[in-house]
Amino acid sequence: DAGITQSPRHKVTETGTPVTLRCHQTENHRYMYWYRQDPGHGLRLIHYSYGVKDTDKGEVSDGYSVSRSKTEDFLLTLESATSSQTSVYFCAIKMTGTAGEQYFGPGTRLTVT
Amino acid sequence: TQLLEQSPQFLSIQEGENLTVYCNSSSVFSSLQWYRQEPGEGPVLLVTVVTGGEVKKLKRLTFQFGDARKDSSLHITAAQPGDTGLYLCAGARGSGNTGKLIFGQGTTLQVKP
Repeated sequence: DAGITQSPRHKVTETGTPVTLRCHQTENHRYMYWYRQDPGHGLRLIHYSYGVKDTDKGEVSDGYSVSRSKTEDFLLTLESATSSQTSVYFCAIKMTGTAGEQYFGPGTRLTVT
Repeated sequence: TQLLEQSPQFLSIQEGENLTVYCNSSSVFSSLQWYRQEPGEGPVLLVTVVTGGEVKKLKRLTFQFGDARKDSSLHITAAQPGDTGLYLCAGARGSGNTGKLIFGQGTTLQVKP
């Protein structure tokens, strides 16, 4: 258990509204990641962070922004949600010094109507 | 572009049968991980392989990394209903320590009693 929580766990929102998802970790890990999971696509990286205020884009970053003002919190924001952003969102951390192994939170199921 | 191809995508077998899941790519990976995911939860790390030709065993599960570090396989011996779930392979590319992973589409395994 890497001490990762995500909130909210479920959210339904309307097209065009802003949405922020929160990932919280309790073990001071430097690297944090946001993924989305859709049928037939596995997990795709949206954004990641390698330290406070240090973030970079992943392969599906359009329409998403992130912020990390504290080590323990990594926020994912959909500025104006669209139906194509309906998905399950996972946060993950990487243990320092490992070969890339990541540990995942429980996920947030987001539905954009 | 899907850099990691998993096959098969779906597998339904009887308890006691053996099975193999494949993860193939034309790209070289510095390491490769296998994860297992149950409905409503985040992926859980099973194993990491780093060296070409490496074989790791986890009880009835055998993982192999290809000699050229472009492919991997997961073999389950005498499958049990508790093995049911989504199996994901993920590869890390490059020598950097960002931990960015490329995931396969996943293999959904159902083991019937």
